[in-house]
Amino acid sequence: DAGVIQSPRHEVTEMGQEVTLRCKPISGHDYLFWYRQTMMRGLELLIYFNNNVPIDDSGMPEDRFSAKMPNASFSTLKIQPSEPRDSAVYFCASSYGRSNQPQHFGDGTRLSIL
Amino acid sequence: KQEVTQIPAALSVPEGENLVLNCSFTDSAIYNLQWFRQDPGKGLTSLLLIQSSQREQTSGRLNASLDKSSGRSTLYIAASQPGDSATYLCAVMDDYKLSFGAGTTVTVRA
Repeated sequence: DAGVIQSPRHEVTEMGQEVTLRCKPISGHDYLFWYRQTMMRGLELLIYFNNNVPIDDSGMPEDRFSAKMPNASFSTLKIQPSEPRDSAVYFCASSYGRSNQPQHFGDGTRLSIL
Repeated sequence: KQEVTQIPAALSVPEGENLVLNCSFTDSAIYNLQWFRQDPGKGLTSLLLIQSSQREQTSGRLNASLDKSSGRSTLYIAASQPGDSATYLCAVMDDYKLSFGAGTTVTVRA
């Protein structure tokens, strides 16, 4: 069974450009999470969805960040305009159920904003 | 706001030694506690999940305990191997969100 798939694996772009990160969760999972990992702040939850509906976006740092889940098999995290401080590894995770099942993580997208 | 602390930040042991990794959290009103492993350049792999009503979970050489009242969990890895070298992260779920510690980076020397 395929795990959580993220693309691209690496993204390097210039400040001010729009960045779109993509995630395909595990089939059958009803929760999807977006995290950001940096050396300074560790792993932080940005937003999560249940059955394609955003439930909690309190971790989204600024209005420059937006996330969508148009269907059960696809989600995007968009940054527009991007800034150097957005450089981080962004992870997508999915789970079946919220509190009694582990979250399964993708391999992440390493984002560098120049 | 939940604070999760992992001590030590790094650990180096010879092969065969048992590993003890510690995790503490500030708010005991949690749904569960999870231990993850992260290899360089990779995502997180779930190792063990302990529900708030449980005291421990075991999987092979791994055993994790949970003392909710004192806000502590310990991950034991028996008879360590070089393949156990990785960063281990503890995460607690409250308000249906995971809060992560900074991790303990383990090196097992052959």
